[in-house]
Amino acid sequence: DVKVTQSSRYLVKRTGEKVFLECVQDMDHENMFWYRQDPGLGLRLIYFSYDVKMKEKGDIPEGYSVSREKKERFSLILESASTNQTSMYLCASSLSTGPGDNYGYTFGSGTRLTVV
Amino acid sequence: RKEVEQDPGPFNVPEGATVAFNCTYSNSASQSFFWYRQDCRKEPKLLMSVYSSGNEDGRFTAQLNRASQYISLLIRDSKLSDSATYLCVVISGTYKYIFGTGTRLKVLA
Repeated sequence: DVKVTQSSRYLVKRTGEKVFLECVQDMDHENMFWYRQDPGLGLRLIYFSYDVKMKEKGDIPEGYSVSREKKERFSLILESASTNQTSMYLCASSLSTGPGDNYGYTFGSGTRLTVV
Repeated sequence: RKEVEQDPGPFNVPEGATVAFNCTYSNSASQSFFWYRQDCRKEPKLLMSVYSSGNEDGRFTAQLNRASQYISLLIRDSKLSDSATYLCVVISGTYKYIFGTGTRLKVLA
């Protein structure tokens, strides 16, 4: 089974801090994604990457950046954390994507971030 | 109009009942569809893909209606352990997975 591991389950950070969320997958997947999930809003795509050193903005990239220096690792960075970034953050990876994709995503167990 | 819409529920059903959820999508060019299950405070997990001809996995049946632009999930003989939120996912364009906000199911003893 694909395993997607997120480094922290719960985090509490102060406003203005720089925050790093780490995600590692062990199945040599090309594609990796960062989402946040909020009640009533569902999952919203922040950034994704389809190859090492490649990154693409998702629907809500403001206030975030990402890094993919190695294929297995995709990091999400909150440059200066704010209270409206309190959320559940989910990392995912996939074997393929786009039309005809029947593999779907595998998600990590999530990081619940609280910014105070 | 949202790209993917689901009734949030909750659907409260007794054990053993049959329950069905629909999910509508707005992009007629959408190509791939999935159902995910998410337990409280856990990550979403792939339940099943949805194929054009419909597909079944045990007590679960998924169907696609392209003409009316919706997918459905039918659960037969509901178990207490089926209680969860069910998310539909539509792929529209390359890399573009669009998640519904989920339908909550509670199976009651």
